[in-house]
Amino acid sequence: QKEVEQNSGPLSVPEGAIASLNCTYSDRVSQSFFWYRQYSGKSPELIMSIYSNGDKEDGRFTAQLNKASQYVSLLIRDSQPSDSATYLCAPDSGNTPLVFGKGTRLSVIA
Amino acid sequence: DAGITQSPRYKITETGRQVTLMCHQTWSHSYMFWYRQDLGHGLRLIYYSAAADITDKGEVPDGYVVSRSKTENFPLTLESATRSQTSVYFCASSEITGGTEAFFGQGTRLTVV
Repeated sequence: QKEVEQNSGPLSVPEGAIASLNCTYSDRVSQSFFWYRQYSGKSPELIMSIYSNGDKEDGRFTAQLNKASQYVSLLIRDSQPSDSATYLCAPDSGNTPLVFGKGTRLSVIA
Repeated sequence: DAGITQSPRYKITETGRQVTLMCHQTWSHSYMFWYRQDLGHGLRLIYYSAAADITDKGEVPDGYVVSRSKTENFPLTLESATRSQTSVYFCASSEITGGTEAFFGQGTRLTVV
């Protein structure tokens, strides 16, 4: 059984700051990693995917992956109140359905 | 409209009743999934399906039944609803499992009284 650990938060950051969200996983064969964002009362939506060690940047979002440490993170630069949501980490081993972390609730304070 | 839709959006049922949650996708995705989301537990997989007539259990399958006679539909049935099945249920689909995005329906909030 894959285990995915995330700090449940809430993580509170001031507007304009960098929000750092972390995720560790137990399945060493995981190859792909997804970050989903879920607004309150809504369904999860994919915001980032990363497949290789290192950093991947997409606008204000940067995903960082370290497979040796079984660690993936999401940085949100210039955080906005609209970024307030729960962020779900999902490592993917390639042949089984996604297992999600419990999510980190982010609150960006204006 | 293209996408994945769930019905009903909200449902209140009594303990012991059978209730079916519907899921329909228009992308012809092979894989479909049912998750439940509860405070403190996150998203947990109930059942999934790789194709029509192929289903498999997830982490929390007890008390649930699924079927997939057509690629586009994946209904979830609670045979005899219990209060512990009060939850938000999400259906999702993807082209394959592994390495690709899963798309979620808008969710069904089920309350068992």
